[in-house]
Amino acid sequence: DTAVSQTPKYLVTQMGNDKSIKCEQNLGHDTMYWYKQDSKKFLKIMFSYNNKELIINETVPNRFSPKSPDKAHLNLHINSLELGDSAVYFCASSRRVAGDGYTFGSGTRLTVV
Amino acid sequence: GESVGLHLPTLSVQEGDNSIINCAYSNSASDYFIWYKQESGKGPQFIIDIRSNMDKRQGQRVTVLLNKTVKHLSLQIAATQPGDSAVYFCAEAGGTSYGKLTFGQGTILTVHP
Repeated sequence: DTAVSQTPKYLVTQMGNDKSIKCEQNLGHDTMYWYKQDSKKFLKIMFSYNNKELIINETVPNRFSPKSPDKAHLNLHINSLELGDSAVYFCASSRRVAGDGYTFGSGTRLTVV
Repeated sequence: GESVGLHLPTLSVQEGDNSIINCAYSNSASDYFIWYKQESGKGPQFIIDIRSNMDKRQGQRVTVLLNKTVKHLSLQIAATQPGDSAVYFCAEAGGTSYGKLTFGQGTILTVHP
């Protein structure tokens, strides 16, 4: 009965590879997000989707491509991984746009070697 | 750009003491504020929120105070327990930040038995 679930929890991969992180929420929320947390714990938004429509796209390299097949899923695909992509990536959802009580997943720790 | 910041990156208290974590925000258009708790290896967890039409809100052992005049937010934890040890983030939304939460730096709270 996990509210926001991400897979995988850990991901170790070599530079140049392509990888995906999946996220699903069973809360019936309309809006989903991807956040990146760096080594200093700073959380920064990357993308936001509302009812499968992209509404926020921060300054993120175009190697990162989100995909939302339906409003309960928001996946993140990363091409040509770089060392600097190493971080913890969090998926979140909210009932509506404007950050009304986000619920976060438990994170995916990506390590690029 | 607009930002949300914390005065103290670390706070160490004794079990049973009251804890106060502070946050300064700079976007005067923000109208929604949330405190999150992040334990090691987990995603941020909602603690309490407050809207800009209020200056105080209480939950179970936690109180959030909002001072719009000086753009200051604080989280008070009563009778702090070892299980409260975590990183605490303030976040803001609204105004030009519509659709996303902007997080502060984070404060590490350590509770000693």
